[in-house]
Amino acid sequence: DIVLTQSPGTLSLSPGERATLSCRASQSVISSSLGWYQQKRGQAPRLLIYGGSRRATGIPDRFSGSGSGTDFTLTISRLEPEDFAVYFCQQDDSSPQITFGGGTKVEVK
Amino acid sequence: EVRLVESGGGLVQPGGSLRLSCEASGFTFSSYWMSWVRQAPGKGLEWVANINHDGREAYYVDSVKGRFSVSRDNDKNSLYLHMNGLRVEDTAVYYCARVIISGVVIQSRWFDPWGQGTLVTVSS
Repeated sequence: DIVLTQSPGTLSLSPGERATLSCRASQSVISSSLGWYQQKRGQAPRLLIYGGSRRATGIPDRFSGSGSGTDFTLTISRLEPEDFAVYFCQQDDSSPQITFGGGTKVEVK
Repeated sequence: EVRLVESGGGLVQPGGSLRLSCEASGFTFSSYWMSWVRQAPGKGLEWVANINHDGREAYYVDSVKGRFSVSRDNDKNSLYLHMNGLRVEDTAVYYCARVIISGVVIQSRWFDPWGQGTLVTVSS
């Protein structure tokens, strides 16, 4: 199975700052098979990015996905108060087996 | 509005069984693959199972193969997860999710949206 490792575990930032979240795959994956989710406390996850870099419906353009091979990044250009949450990456390169990363928590500094 | 509502969670003893349900509304249920994803308390996400449009294809994470079975009733717009031989490590919130497929030649699957989840606790 493809293992996804997210770093850092926790990112402490202030509103308005730029957030850069990393997701590293245990083997090379097709970039279009990588996506990102946001989960706020007590809520279900929400799809943010799919196909490597495509924003899901209703997702603001301050969220962007990039990367290739084994290294992928979710960037939040300017953190809004509602962006403080946990973020998970997901891959479907090894379909039908789908795996998620362990998550990165973005907290208020 | 697309809506997914799970039910059927609860407390069960190790080795016991449980059936989870997910009622869908706001979209043409029979046109979509569906999935179950779980999250142990304080932990990350784990994909559990996928089922195709007509229920003839199903896929599972290795840890539940032979114990869990996913099914659907398109007439009732409902998805099910039949769980047998439950273990302590199956304790989690179980989410139902619609599967979105992107790509033509190489397809990838995403979960959007998700239900609110139902908690399954396996304990003696």
